[in-house]
Amino acid sequence: QQPVQSPQAVILREGEDAVINCSSSKALYSVHWYRQKHGEAPVFLMILLKGGEQKGHEKISASFNEKKQQSSLYLTASQLSYSGTYFCGTEGRGGSNYKLTFGKGTLLTVNP
Amino acid sequence: DTAVSQTPKYLVTQMGNDKSIKCEQNLGHDTMYWYKQDSKKFLKIMFSYNNKELIINETVPNRFSPKSPDKAHLNLHINSLELGDSAVYFCASSQDRVGNSYNEQFFGPGTRLTVL
Repeated sequence: QQPVQSPQAVILREGEDAVINCSSSKALYSVHWYRQKHGEAPVFLMILLKGGEQKGHEKISASFNEKKQQSSLYLTASQLSYSGTYFCGTEGRGGSNYKLTFGKGTLLTVNP
Repeated sequence: DTAVSQTPKYLVTQMGNDKSIKCEQNLGHDTMYWYKQDSKKFLKIMFSYNNKELIINETVPNRFSPKSPDKAHLNLHINSLELGDSAVYFCASSQDRVGNSYNEQFFGPGTRLTVL
């Protein structure tokens, strides 16, 4: 089942913060985050495997609440280069289903 | 060197034709994937191979046939192309299958297929 991302789109000014949420109706084993710039391929940001885990990559970090079956991506002090579509991908628990199901994406636009 | 490469980058063809897209990865990965991204940017898994074995086969018309001659290559052949097949097709690879540890996927540049 496809995870639900919110918001669908967000517009920021450079230096502002944003949060992108990803929720699932079923138990999750892991959450993956990717960013896709216009006309390019998706690029990996991070994977979260454990409940309550938080990971960071420069000014982009994420959390994973296993109980609530949701993950959030935090972008702080946004830069122009952060613009793009952010996708979360979820893998169902049990490991028997070896695929990622991606959300519909969140379009992030950072303006000067 | 390009990690995951696809050919061709653009493909324009008529309805009813048969076409192939090729993918190669030089990362030494065991798992490869085909994704379809439609005009609304929805990214959907089609197939996945692990060590040349098909492990994921989503609900895809049987006009689509993947082939993995070896771990480094995964090709996609499409018969009797239809208008609805128009999309961007991405190949990707990962060290291992999803669920077997931290396993980022590396995507190729995509093949934009337009069926007229």
